[in-house]
Amino acid sequence: AQSVTQPDIHITVSEGASLELRCNYSYGATPYLFWYVQSPGQGLQLLLKYFSGDTLVQGIKGFEAEFKRSQSSFNLRKPSVHWSDAAEYFCAVGPYSGAGSYQLTFGKGTKLSVIP
Amino acid sequence: GAVVSQHPSRVICKSGTSVKIECRSLDFQATTMFWYRQFPKQSLMLMATSNEGSKATYEQGVEKDKFLINHASLTLSTLTVTSAHPEDSSFYICSARDARVGNEQFFGPGTRLTVL
Repeated sequence: AQSVTQPDIHITVSEGASLELRCNYSYGATPYLFWYVQSPGQGLQLLLKYFSGDTLVQGIKGFEAEFKRSQSSFNLRKPSVHWSDAAEYFCAVGPYSGAGSYQLTFGKGTKLSVIP
Repeated sequence: GAVVSQHPSRVICKSGTSVKIECRSLDFQATTMFWYRQFPKQSLMLMATSNEGSKATYEQGVEKDKFLINHASLTLSTLTVTSAHPEDSSFYICSARDARVGNEQFFGPGTRLTVL
């Protein structure tokens, strides 16, 4: 069975500083990997996803993530954090379950706080 | 992106009563919707996959007689928590799969259920 580990429960960074959120996965085959952001009162929003190809994936809001198969990692990065980035971030792995569907398994999330 | 709504956003009920939560895809048709449960400081756990016009597929350990799912139309799925007890208190989130965008899942804002 697949699993996702986000080692950091809570991270605090200063506005303008760089950010890296860690994600490690366990999956027997080639994984489909996702990062979502959840703001209070909002649904989860997809930041980016990796299916295949270039291991460095660009997403929305200036985020990027790098897939490293040797380390079973898919860390999320942003070069300069904005106060509006404060939210909960979830990494997910989703093996293809047929008919265009991905069954998502989520990590426990990392809460990001941004100091002005 | 596609929009998914949930109603109500928050509900408080007495133990033993039943509660219905609605999930709607507002600007697209969704043959498949998913129901998740999120405990505080925990990840989203997939409860069931809801397919329009057919029975839902429940994940292992989820009581189908307690969590009734109906997906009667292409834009509406409902989750009914029957005979709710305090341990059912949680954050329930739905998502809908949009075939127009590579079957990406779009998430609702969630429903906070508190059972007294």
